[in-house]
Amino acid sequence: EAGVTQSPTHLIKTRGQQATLRCSPISGHTSVYWYQQALGLGLQFLLWYDEGEERNRGHFPPRVSGRQVPNYSSELNVNALELEDSALYLCASRLGETQYFGPGTRLLVL
Amino acid sequence: GQNIDQPTEMTATEGAIVQINCTYQTSGFNGLFWYQQHAGEAPTFLSYNVLDGLEEKGRFSSFLSRSKGYSYLLLKELQMKDSASYLCAVSFATGGFKTIFGAGTRLFVKA
Repeated sequence: EAGVTQSPTHLIKTRGQQATLRCSPISGHTSVYWYQQALGLGLQFLLWYDEGEERNRGHFPPRVSGRQVPNYSSELNVNALELEDSALYLCASRLGETQYFGPGTRLLVL
Repeated sequence: GQNIDQPTEMTATEGAIVQINCTYQTSGFNGLFWYQQHAGEAPTFLSYNVLDGLEEKGRFSSFLSRSKGYSYLLLKELQMKDSASYLCAVSFATGGFKTIFGAGTRLFVKA
């Protein structure tokens, strides 16, 4: 069974640009979570999508947004990029209470 | 608030046993997770405790005491490949099984 997949693996942008990150959950999982992990820090919850709807979001500005499409894949958009947005962005899908993570997208903002 | 505390770093010797502690200041959670994360990679699920007590799974065991607000992950017969960060996390039934992660403990296994 394929795990959670994310693309791209690496992304380099400059300040002010927009970044779009993509995630495909494990087949049959309808919930997708996004986390930000800055270097040396813990996972910070960004967004939770389920059945195509945004169900919860963490304490991040509105320039961090996303969506979930009918096949349960998800996109994370970060607008007006700032240097502090440089981090590993992890997507997870959930079965029961357990979240299964994708390999992440490493975003570097120059 | 909801706080999860873990030691930042630990060092242990190959073949030894190491205990990674996690304390939390939160209540009403469903269960407590441990994840392993190698540098630059995604966290991978290790264990999940709902009830108090010890859950053993091969070389790894996890313990939970709700009354003491305390959990630990026990790694036996350490191997070099166990060098990684270990994340403690609690999940809540509301908010889509909202999960709060600790900052993680970086374990270095030396020969």
